[in-house]
Amino acid sequence: AQSVTQLDSQVPVFEEAPVELRCNYSSSVSVYLFWYVQYPNQGLQLLLKYLSGSTLVKGINGFEAEFNKSQTSFHLRKPSVHISDTAEYFCAVSERGSGNTPLVFGKGTRLSVIA
Amino acid sequence: DGGITQSPKYLFRKEGQNVTLSCEQNLNHDAMYWYRQDPGQGLRLIYYSQIVNDFQKGDIAEGYSVSREKKESFPLTVTSAQKNPTAFYLCASSILEGIGYTFGSGTRLTVV
Repeated sequence: AQSVTQLDSQVPVFEEAPVELRCNYSSSVSVYLFWYVQYPNQGLQLLLKYLSGSTLVKGINGFEAEFNKSQTSFHLRKPSVHISDTAEYFCAVSERGSGNTPLVFGKGTRLSVIA
Repeated sequence: DGGITQSPKYLFRKEGQNVTLSCEQNLNHDAMYWYRQDPGQGLRLIYYSQIVNDFQKGDIAEGYSVSREKKESFPLTVTSAQKNPTAFYLCASSILEGIGYTFGSGTRLTVV
């Protein structure tokens, strides 16, 4: 069974500063990894995903994430945040080769961008 | 435009009443999922269905029921057996392994 740990429940950061949201996962098999963003009272929107190949994945809104197999991590980064990035961010994992089995989500990190 | 529609957006019910949340998709996705979201708890899986007329329990299925009679529809019933039903409910769908989900905009259920 897989699990996901998002190491910070809340991250405050000043506008135009860089940010890193941390995600570690546990799985006995190869995985796919995802980051989603949720704005208040809305559903989740896919930011980026790692399937295979290059370990640095670029997503929407200037976000990127790096897959590190040895550290079982998939941290999300943005070099300069905007007020509009204030939202909750979820890391998720699914097993490779398991068909459409459900994603397992972390508990989320609330990013607050301060003007 | 293709997508997932959850209705209603807000729902209020008295304690002890069953309530059904609607989830419809026109994406031709095979798999559909229901998650419950509570503050600080992330998303917890209630039920999922990979094909029509088949579904599986997730981690917190007690007090919930589902049906999958059509590919497009996956309604969730919150029964009176669910001890703490007030939450934000999210429906999602997917077509292939590794593609990720498309989410609906959610239903906020408040039981008073």
